[in-house]
Amino acid sequence: EPEVTQTPSHQVTQMGQEVILRCVPISNHLYFYWYRQILGQKVEFLVSFYNNEISEKSEIFDDQFSVERPDGSNFTLKIRSTKLEDSAMYFCASREGDTQYFGPGTRLTVL
Amino acid sequence: AQSVTQLGSHVSVSEGALVLLRCNYSSSVPPYLFWYVQYPNQGLQLLLKYTSAATLVKGINGFEAEFKKSETSFHLTKPSAHMSDAAEYFCAVSEGFGNEKLTFGTGTRLTIIP
Repeated sequence: EPEVTQTPSHQVTQMGQEVILRCVPISNHLYFYWYRQILGQKVEFLVSFYNNEISEKSEIFDDQFSVERPDGSNFTLKIRSTKLEDSAMYFCASREGDTQYFGPGTRLTVL
Repeated sequence: AQSVTQLGSHVSVSEGALVLLRCNYSSSVPPYLFWYVQYPNQGLQLLLKYTSAATLVKGINGFEAEFKKSETSFHLTKPSAHMSDAAEYFCAVSEGFGNEKLTFGTGTRLTIIP
């Protein structure tokens, strides 16, 4: 069964460094999402992406964040200058019809 | 704006007992409702969904949920708990086509007592 994959599973970085989180959505899906889950808190929407542009973004998704679909398979989330409060689990999802399918997540730890 | 409230951050039930996880939603339009399960160190897996068809929805692993508009609820149930049901469960709402972002509840951690 097709699934969403994410790499790396765990990323440790220093505050102020740039990180790129990678996702491979399910191949025939056209809508992509990033969510994050700070430890002990709810899963929060960050951004949705369709047809090579952002459809919607949350207040969390400020100028430090960007998304890109650099080729036909990858979907990336870049955090330009990480802060301590960016430490979280980041989930990628792709959608077919009314259902979003989630990847296993990348745990980002900012030191 | 849409929101989800999950009553009970931790629920413990005995193996073989009824599982009831509560979810209430708020939405300005007819909602789409979802239950996802998260096993330790894994991603979110869809259990079931309501998208304006039958109000009683059956999902995987013997779970089901009933959409009750009058109560703005979408509680998740399973008649008989199994040890493998131990996980975190998230209720989520979206406004459907045109606005599919999911708004999640805070989650309920289900523990099964042998």
